[in-house]
Amino acid sequence: NAGVMQNPRHLVRRRGQEARLRCSPMKGHSHVYWYRQLPEEGLKFMVYLQKENIIDESGMPKERFSAEFPKEGPSILRIQQVVRGDSAAYFCASSPADRGIAGYNEQFFGPGTRLTVL
Amino acid sequence: QQQVKQSPQSLIVQKGGISIINCAYENTAFDYFPWYQQFPGKGPALLIAIRPDVSEKKEGRFTISFNKSAKQFSLHIMDSQPGDSATYFCAAKESGSRLTFGEGTQLTVNP
Repeated sequence: NAGVMQNPRHLVRRRGQEARLRCSPMKGHSHVYWYRQLPEEGLKFMVYLQKENIIDESGMPKERFSAEFPKEGPSILRIQQVVRGDSAAYFCASSPADRGIAGYNEQFFGPGTRLTVL
Repeated sequence: QQQVKQSPQSLIVQKGGISIINCAYENTAFDYFPWYQQFPGKGPALLIAIRPDVSEKKEGRFTISFNKSAKQFSLHIMDSQPGDSATYFCAAKESGSRLTFGEGTQLTVNP
């Protein structure tokens, strides 16, 4: 049973280019979350999506960042016109729709995409 | 606004010792408190979690203590081992919502 998959694992972009980060949730999971981790810091929430719907994007910068989770295929986090301050590790997490035995939608994290902007 | 405060920032313990990491929260709507373990270059992995109607939860060498009135919770790692050396994050979650993480504690267990 594969876990959350993210690709690429490492991405290098020059200032002004676009970065596209992909996340395939665990099998059977329909909720996806994106978090950003700056060096030596904790994870900061960016966006929460369900299939074809953005549920909460309150942590997403208003400009240059967008996210989608289409009916088919992985979730995509897109960063346009990247700047050096976008360099970070971007983690995707997924959870099932139902709460399960624990009573909560436990989130399982992928290995992350480390974005470096030159 | 930092809603979950974690301390200490770094911690060094000897093998066999007890590691204690503390977190405090502000939002009384939080109803789920997980701890995550992260190794360098890896994603966070769920270690143990607690609900506010329980004061303590133990799984193996890992124990969460929860004080609802003080809005504080802590992770205790008994008989700490070098393999426990990692960064630990506390987190809090409102029902059906995202996780709010603490800033992390870098734990080093010396052999």
